[in-house]
Amino acid sequence: DTGVSQNPRHKITKRGQNVTFRCDPISEHNRLYWYRQTLGQGPEFLTYFQNEAQLEKSRLLSDRFSAERPKGSFSTLEIQRTEQGDSAMYLCASSSLAGEQYFGPGTRLTVT
Amino acid sequence: GEDVEQSLFLSVREGDSSVINCTYTDSSSTYLYWYKQEPGAGLQLLTYIFSNMDMKQDQRLTVLLNKKDKHLSLRIADTQTGDSAIYFCAEPPSGGGADGLTFGKGTHLIIQP
Repeated sequence: DTGVSQNPRHKITKRGQNVTFRCDPISEHNRLYWYRQTLGQGPEFLTYFQNEAQLEKSRLLSDRFSAERPKGSFSTLEIQRTEQGDSAMYLCASSSLAGEQYFGPGTRLTVT
Repeated sequence: GEDVEQSLFLSVREGDSSVINCTYTDSSSTYLYWYKQEPGAGLQLLTYIFSNMDMKQDQRLTVLLNKKDKHLSLRIADTQTGDSAIYFCAEPPSGGGADGLTFGKGTHLIIQP
């Protein structure tokens, strides 16, 4: 296994468009996390899944943000009606039930 | 709420030791983590320490934990140019739940030749 992967690595979109990012976790990991990182800041937690169940979503930034993990494997993060303030790096991490989190390379979103 | 604090910059000469400091607020934290981020990349887990330990050494890395003062440090011996990166301290959520980590703003380690 090569670790957590994320696609695309970069996304440029116009304000008002919808975007979707994909995360493939380490295969044996039950938990999957999404974070956002803006310039000069540490990652900010958004949501997480245990298998297919989304156990925390109150930290999603607005109702324009949603995430799914339909079969307990890969996950998608969607942002609807993007705004310039959504420009950031979106990071995915995975862990086993009691383990440390391993991060993917991130998807850099630029909203013009 | 949780708040993890770090100095923003540290400059050291190549070959010297680097010491990156962090303070955290949640005394119930079970593990504390150090991550490294190179430009444009994701976060790499460097090391972590369990809260019942005072020190952990892993090759060039030494982690010291002072639970009384809620202070964590990362020492990098014989600092090399490849160590140039942003280093993040992170703690798990209050009560040891499975929520996301809380990160500091990161310390930029600058290596002088």
